[in-house]
Amino acid sequence: AQSVTQPDIHITVSEGASLELRCNYSYGATPYLFWYVQSPGQGLQLLLKYFSGDTLVQGIKGFEAEFKRSQSSFNLRKPSVHWSDAAEYFCAVGAYNNNDMRFGAGTRLTVKP
Amino acid sequence: DTGVSQDPRHKITKRGQNVTFRCDPISEHNRLYWYRQTLGQGPEFLTYFQNEAQLEKSRLLSDRFSAERPKGSFSTLEIQRTEQGDSAMYLCASHGGNSPLHFGNGTRLTVT
Repeated sequence: AQSVTQPDIHITVSEGASLELRCNYSYGATPYLFWYVQSPGQGLQLLLKYFSGDTLVQGIKGFEAEFKRSQSSFNLRKPSVHWSDAAEYFCAVGAYNNNDMRFGAGTRLTVKP
Repeated sequence: DTGVSQDPRHKITKRGQNVTFRCDPISEHNRLYWYRQTLGQGPEFLTYFQNEAQLEKSRLLSDRFSAERPKGSFSTLEIQRTEQGDSAMYLCASHGGNSPLHFGNGTRLTVT
């Protein structure tokens, strides 16, 4: 069965510092991988997705993620964090048709001034 | 705004009451999903529709829960005889073709 693990429950970084959020997945077939961001009281917004091809994918708001099949990882990165990036980040794995999408428990990002 | 909309945003109800939530997906999306999210967790799949047909239900969806999408457009999720454990954020999402899921802002249910 597919599953997603986000090892870090909470991360604090200083504004302007780089960021890496970890995501490990378990999936029996070729995974479709996603990162979503959620601000308090809001729904989830898609940051980026990986279906196939180049393993380094670019997303919105300056985020990128790298798919590493050998490590079953899909870590999210940003070179310079802004205060507005403070939110909850969810990694998800699913099938082509999204029917069986599984989300990690999320990583809460705090940005220090 | 052509995103996914959900109504109401917040609902407070007493234990034992029935509640109904509505979701209006993006108009050209034929697939609609309901998720439940509790504090500190990611969304958990409840059920999904392709057009008006409900094609899959999670074991999380007890018999007190029912969802409909009568005309293949908007959907409703009803919870009967609410329990305190039903308190959560209920998220609706839609997609069409190869697009990723687009989520609404959710309905936060508090059962007192």
